[in-house]
Amino acid sequence: AQRVTQPEKLLSVFKGAPVELKCNYSYSGSPELFWYVQYSRQRLQLLLRHISRESIKGFTADLNKGETSFHLKKPFAQEEDSAMYYCALLTGANNLFFGTGTRLTVIP
Amino acid sequence: EAQVTQNPRYLITVTGKKLTVTCSQNMNHEYMSWYRQDPGLGLRQIYYSMNVEVTDKGDVPEGYKVSRKEKRNFPLILESPSPNQTSLYFCASSLSGSAGIAGYTFGSGTRLTVV
Repeated sequence: AQRVTQPEKLLSVFKGAPVELKCNYSYSGSPELFWYVQYSRQRLQLLLRHISRESIKGFTADLNKGETSFHLKKPFAQEEDSAMYYCALLTGANNLFFGTGTRLTVIP
Repeated sequence: EAQVTQNPRYLITVTGKKLTVTCSQNMNHEYMSWYRQDPGLGLRQIYYSMNVEVTDKGDVPEGYKVSRKEKRNFPLILESPSPNQTSLYFCASSLSGSAGIAGYTFGSGTRLTVV
C-alpha cells in the first residue's frame, strides 16, 4: 500500500533562513511525487512536480529513490511562503495520496 | 476561466438530514475526486471517478455516496450526516493520465458542520 509521511506538522523559520519540508513515501510502483500548497483562505494548488525538475517560487524538490524522499527546499524563506504544504504521491490509477501536511510559518 | 466549482461554500445541518454538495468542472476532465481535510490527518480521498458512470471508493467512503451521470458534475451525497462528517471537503479534477503533468485542479472547498 502507498503511504506519504510528512513528519513535521508545524515548522517555523525566520525570514531569509533556509527551509526544508520533509516528505518520505512508500510505494511499490514507480513514484510520481508532487508538492501542493494551500495559502490562507485559498484552494490547494500545485507547487511543483518531480518529473519537471523545476524551481517554482524559489522552491525545489529532488526525488531520492534510495531514501524514498522528496523534500521541499528553499534557500531563503519569505513571509509570503507561510502556508500549508502537502506532499502527494500519484498512483497508477491516477489517484493522488496526500501526506498530513506541514504548516510553514515564516517569522518576519 | 478553467475551474472547479463547489457549492455551497459553507453548510450547517442537523444529524440525519440528507444533503448534497455539488461539484462541477468546465475543463472536460475525465477524472474527478472528493477529499475531506481534517486537522492532523491531511486530505483523505472519499470517492473518485475515472469517467462517466465509473466511480470507486477511496480511503474513507463510509457514509458517503457519489454519482457521475455527466462528465462535468460529480456530486457528493450524505444520506444521513453525522457529526463525525464535520469537515472541509474538496473536489478535484484532472485529465486522465495527465495528472502527473498538469496536476489536479481543486475547488475552493465546502465547510460542512453537522450538529
